[in-house]
Amino acid sequence: QSALTQPRSVSGSPGQSVTISCAGTSSDVGRYNYVSWYQQHPGKAPKLMIYDVTERPSGVPNRFSGSKSANTASLTISGLQAEDEADYYCCSYGGTQNFVFGGGTKLTVL
Amino acid sequence: QVQLVQSGAEVKEPGASVKVSCKASGYTFTNHEIIWVRQAAGQGLEWMGWMNPNSGFTNNAQKFQGRVTMTRDTSISTAYMELTSLTPDDTAVYYCARNRQGLQVWGQGTLVTVSS
Repeated sequence: QSALTQPRSVSGSPGQSVTISCAGTSSDVGRYNYVSWYQQHPGKAPKLMIYDVTERPSGVPNRFSGSKSANTASLTISGLQAEDEADYYCCSYGGTQNFVFGGGTKLTVL
Repeated sequence: QVQLVQSGAEVKEPGASVKVSCKASGYTFTNHEIIWVRQAAGQGLEWMGWMNPNSGFTNNAQKFQGRVTMTRDTSISTAYMELTSLTPDDTAVYYCARNRQGLQVWGQGTLVTVSS
């Protein structure tokens, strides 16, 4: 199963909004509503930000939101803050107990 | 609190095997799937496999077929991931994570270094 496709990098100024895309196929992102997003700071374990396409775990700010259209999922971060600077990964269920991650996107807060 | 605690760093020679443990606490171990993920330095996350701790059923990424074995000991709420025939390309941080509404709980990671 091929990795999901994410932009290598995105950037934005504090207070702005950025959107990170995650392109899959009709066998993963397009078929299942099991897309999740993870934030990872250097040297740290990933942290869940969004699950089941749009759901936010307890404690994650509502500045983070998820969506999906056809075979592409998206993570939008509004009101950018300095601490949002990190790597972001999407992940999708691909059927028969298979999962696939995106290649990751480096978010820079200017 | 819910947590996963992994075993310590390992250094292995090419061709050897490594077994990483992941001890769960704060919840019923058999109620939630365990996922294994690895990350080479400067690289992205890579899904390795999935285990149902209740049944012991597993599924591995095709890339690791024949090289990875995932097991568990329910008496001590611990999952294991063994990777054989190691090469320098297997040098990475290996994570376990609990699959419940996404991967909400992660272990701290185990660095496995493969070098002669």
